[in-house]
Amino acid sequence: QVTLKESGPGILQPSQTLSLTCSFSGFSLSTSGICVSWIRQPSGKGLEWLATICWEDSKGYNPSLKNRLTISKDTSNNQAFLKITSVDTADTAIYYCARTNWAYGFDYWGQGVMVTVSS
Amino acid sequence: DIQMTQSPSFLSASVGDRVTINCKASQNINKYLNWYQQKLGEAPKLLIYNTNNLQTGIPSRFSGSGSGTDYTLTISSLQPEDVATYFCLQHSSRPWTFGGGTKLELK
Repeated sequence: QVTLKESGPGILQPSQTLSLTCSFSGFSLSTSGICVSWIRQPSGKGLEWLATICWEDSKGYNPSLKNRLTISKDTSNNQAFLKITSVDTADTAIYYCARTNWAYGFDYWGQGVMVTVSS
Repeated sequence: DIQMTQSPSFLSASVGDRVTINCKASQNINKYLNWYQQKLGEAPKLLIYNTNNLQTGIPSRFSGSGSGTDYTLTISSLQPEDVATYFCLQHSSRPWTFGGGTKLELK
């Protein structure tokens, strides 16, 4: 059974760095063809793909935020991470992680974690 | 970026109705189109991948069709448990982009 769960700070202040963790089970990020992605959804707005990291450590970023994003993984502990630097109120959103396959898209998602940026 | 225009944004239908939801891409996405269902407080669930492939465990009343820029999700006979928000995803070209969502309610 594939499961993913996101964790984060809940609330942080503008200009800080947001650190998110995706803990997963039921698959391995060392398996060929497997990736993990981060997606977010601001309240009342649409979904936005942020970044993807794959089994061989290749990475992809949304160009609209590329300079602020860093995705990484800990294969041994079945975790993926996302850092977003210099956050502001526009980064307030629900953040999801999802297992990803380049041929099939996002197939399993976590429930999401709410992150609020506020002074 | 490929823009995905999803319609309608809201849909009210009765149990047993045939329901269709559409996504239109700003360019050809070569059938790399997925449909997801999201119920309140739950993780999004993959229903259909690559236009017309039913994900394992999804009821056969869900189906997908389309090509080029135009894609459709059909629920052949709406059930009460289908109340949810539905959204499409194109994974033909990075950055992958989503439709705006359709909130489906029971009439």
